[in-house]
Amino acid sequence: AQKVTQAQTEISVVEKEDVTLDCVYETRDTTYYLFWYKQPPSGELVFLIRRNSFDEQNEISGRYSWNFQKSTSSFNFTITASQVVDSAVYFCALSEAGRGYQKVTFGIGTKLQVIP
Amino acid sequence: DTAVSQTPKYLVTQMGNDKSIKCEQNLGHDTMYWYKQDSKKFLKIMFSYNNKELIINETVPNRFSPKSPDKAHLNLHINSLELGDSAVYFCASSQDRNGYTFGSGTRLTVV
Repeated sequence: AQKVTQAQTEISVVEKEDVTLDCVYETRDTTYYLFWYKQPPSGELVFLIRRNSFDEQNEISGRYSWNFQKSTSSFNFTITASQVVDSAVYFCALSEAGRGYQKVTFGIGTKLQVIP
Repeated sequence: DTAVSQTPKYLVTQMGNDKSIKCEQNLGHDTMYWYKQDSKKFLKIMFSYNNKELIINETVPNRFSPKSPDKAHLNLHINSLELGDSAVYFCASSQDRNGYTFGSGTRLTVV
């Protein structure tokens, strides 16, 4: 069975600080996908990134960066120079391989509060 | 033009009633899903349909019944609503393993 652990339930930072959200996963599949989603206070779920198990390159998108390390089964998310608009719940998720569909298991989420 | 649309956005109803939530996607995706998000923000999959075929059916009370008339629609019907059914229900769609596109959610409150 697959599992996603987000050990940090809530984090508060002051604006412009960097913050890293941790994600550790468990799976028996050799092919799998990892995701991060953002849920702002308005409630919608916004897709941020997908990473497959064969691609361990780190990814940077503006102030966001992701560090995927298979050796430690981690897929951490860093926000650089945080802003108030980054305040949200962030979900890490894992997808097992399927026949063209996917069953995505979500972590419990990390609530990030950026204080002005 | 909304990619995954759910209606209604809010639903307040009394215990024992039957209600439906509708979901439509215009992305041409083959697979659609229903997730439940409880008060602690935990997201749990309920059902998934791939080209109108039920492929994921998690441990959900049989008061919940999904219906997919075509691959662009996946509705959720709930019979005999209970207080514990209060949650936000998210519809999503996907193609292959490209990640989900979620609807905006339906906040169901059972009183």
